[in-house]
Amino acid sequence: NAGVTQTPKFRVLKTGQSMTLLCAQDMNHEYMYWYRQDPGMGLRLIHYSVGEGTTAKGEVPDGYNVSRLKKQNFLLGLESAAPSQTSVYFCATRTFGDEQFFGPGTRLTVL
Amino acid sequence: TQLLEQSPQFLSIQEGENLTVYCNSSSVFSSLQWYRQEPGEGPVLLVTVVTGGEVKKLKRLTFQFGDARKDSSLHITAAQPGDTGLYLCAGKRDYKLSFGAGTTVTVRA
Repeated sequence: NAGVTQTPKFRVLKTGQSMTLLCAQDMNHEYMYWYRQDPGMGLRLIHYSVGEGTTAKGEVPDGYNVSRLKKQNFLLGLESAAPSQTSVYFCATRTFGDEQFFGPGTRLTVL
Repeated sequence: TQLLEQSPQFLSIQEGENLTVYCNSSSVFSSLQWYRQEPGEGPVLLVTVVTGGEVKKLKRLTFQFGDARKDSSLHITAAQPGDTGLYLCAGKRDYKLSFGAGTTVTVRA
């Protein structure tokens, strides 16, 4: 029972490159979230999904796209990476209760 | 601008001392949560408070939700080095959580 896993753990990109971050969960949770965490700013919501096939914008969605084709996976894409997207990215899931379960994070550096 | 303001930003104390972290907002939330995060890991839920005025205790940690459901506090009694970490408050509205910037707590042995 892995809970929430994120792939990759670390990545370095050059400005303009694209990449996809994968979040996978085995808890059968309906809700999934992508956050970014920057020093002094806490966690900010990028996009979220309330179920398979649905996505919605969060607080800081610009420059990111997401897809939830399968209930267990939530993908975060960067089409053209910028240095401002250097951050630690966390995926989280939630069932119908309040607790969110977080993955271990992906540390992304954009040069 | 953060929806939830946490203070202080950093706190360094000696083992055995008490500490309090504050989380304030001008918005009302249906519930408020406290998470703890250790370096290199994701946040882990400590507690959820739902009712205005609610007080919850978790061993040496005491959590309080303000009467108007806009603010909260976390008090740690007789802090231990194992309490070291980043403490985040998060307010829930609809499907989403809004997080504070966090308080980094260091407990020196």
